[in-house]
Amino acid sequence: AQKITQTQPGMFVQEKEAVTLDCTYDTSDPSYGLFWYKQPSSGEMIFLIYQGSYDQQNATEGRYSLNFQKARKSANLVISASQLGDSAMYFCAMRPIYNFNKFYFGSGTKLNVKP
Amino acid sequence: NAGVTQTPKFQVLKTGQSMTLQCAQDMNHNSMYWYRQDPGMGLRLIYYSASEGTTDKGEVPNGYNVSRLNKREFSLRLESAAPSQTSVYFCASSETVVATEAFFGQGTRLTVV
Repeated sequence: AQKITQTQPGMFVQEKEAVTLDCTYDTSDPSYGLFWYKQPSSGEMIFLIYQGSYDQQNATEGRYSLNFQKARKSANLVISASQLGDSAMYFCAMRPIYNFNKFYFGSGTKLNVKP
Repeated sequence: NAGVTQTPKFQVLKTGQSMTLQCAQDMNHNSMYWYRQDPGMGLRLIYYSASEGTTDKGEVPNGYNVSRLNKREFSLRLESAAPSQTSVYFCASSETVVATEAFFGQGTRLTVV
């Protein structure tokens, strides 16, 4: 069974501080991709970052980095220097590389950035 | 760039009515997807189209049909809407089914009363 767990329904962070959003996953597939998406209050889903299970280095995209610990099956998103515009829902997702009809999403974490 | 465009953005249906959600992408992507988003459940795949001319069921296909009209367009049809289909629907596309990035439309908020 495939499963994505985001244990933090809501989080607060002070502007300019770093924040880590947790994500753990469960899969029996040997190769898979991990994704993070941002959903602002306007509703659209915005792709943030991708990590392949075969990648040796942690993915980074600007202020976003993915702390990938394969043995622990965790794929935490780190946002550095939080901005007010980072306030949104954040979803962790996983897709097995060779079972492309399976794209599993977690239940999300609501991040609030305080001025 | 428009990216992925969904219409309508909001819709209220009565139980038993039918409707089609439209989706179009202008990125020349091969693969397109329909998801529904329900509170506390993330997104769940309804149907997908790996390439033009093909469609396959996802995790929650019951009550829905799809049509990949051409490479750009992928529609989702509710033949007889039920209150359980009240949800936010997202269309997405990616270059291929194994692409590392998928682009989403802005969503359609559907209420079935």
